[in-house]
Amino acid sequence: GAGVSQTPSNKVTEKGKYVELRCDPISGHTALYWYRQSLGQGPEFLIYFQGTGAADDSGLPNDRFFAVRPEGSVSTLKIQRTERGDSAVYLCASSLGAGGNSPLHFGNGTRLTVT
Amino acid sequence: AQTVTQSQPEMSVQEAETVTLSCTYDTSESDYYLFWYKQPPSRQMILVIRQEAYKQQNATENRFSVNFQKAAKSFSLKISDSQLGDAAMYFCAYRAWSGSRLTFGEGTQLTVNP
Repeated sequence: GAGVSQTPSNKVTEKGKYVELRCDPISGHTALYWYRQSLGQGPEFLIYFQGTGAADDSGLPNDRFFAVRPEGSVSTLKIQRTERGDSAVYLCASSLGAGGNSPLHFGNGTRLTVT
Repeated sequence: AQTVTQSQPEMSVQEAETVTLSCTYDTSESDYYLFWYKQPPSRQMILVIRQEAYKQQNATENRFSVNFQKAAKSFSLKISDSQLGDAAMYFCAYRAWSGSRLTFGEGTQLTVNP
């Protein structure tokens, strides 16, 4: 079956521009997560959705970052006024449920480069 | 807040030999999950092995096993009969029993030499 799909695979943008990163979770997975992975670091939590609502957005670094999941499936991470420090790999994961026992399935990530 | 620490940025092993990757964590919870993930150059995080904290028995998955020391808050990964395909970045991760987010360590880059 299809796994978690993230598009684009790579994105290069200029400082100050707006970008959208897309995540298609595994069908039927109600929980969806966004992580940011800077070079040489482990992934850092950004936001978690249960269905359509953001159940935990405490990892979003500032108000330039926003994410939506309007129909409880596809999610879009939006970054306004991009900065060079936003350059990283953005990973999406989904799971069947939200409990600790439900394994996360990750996509291949989007590598964002801000020039 | 929970933290996960991997003190070995890089490790190397000869093909067919055994290697152990270290991980320590900090939590005030008594029930939780611990994981090892593998991240090859494709960037996808692949689950290697999982341990429930309430289980005393160490988890094993084929050539992969863990040494879980709850009192010491230590969770090491042993890879036996290392293969070239094991070369990757390995991350230790913590998840609360009822929680949603994973907290990752900094990672260990494993090289397998032929």
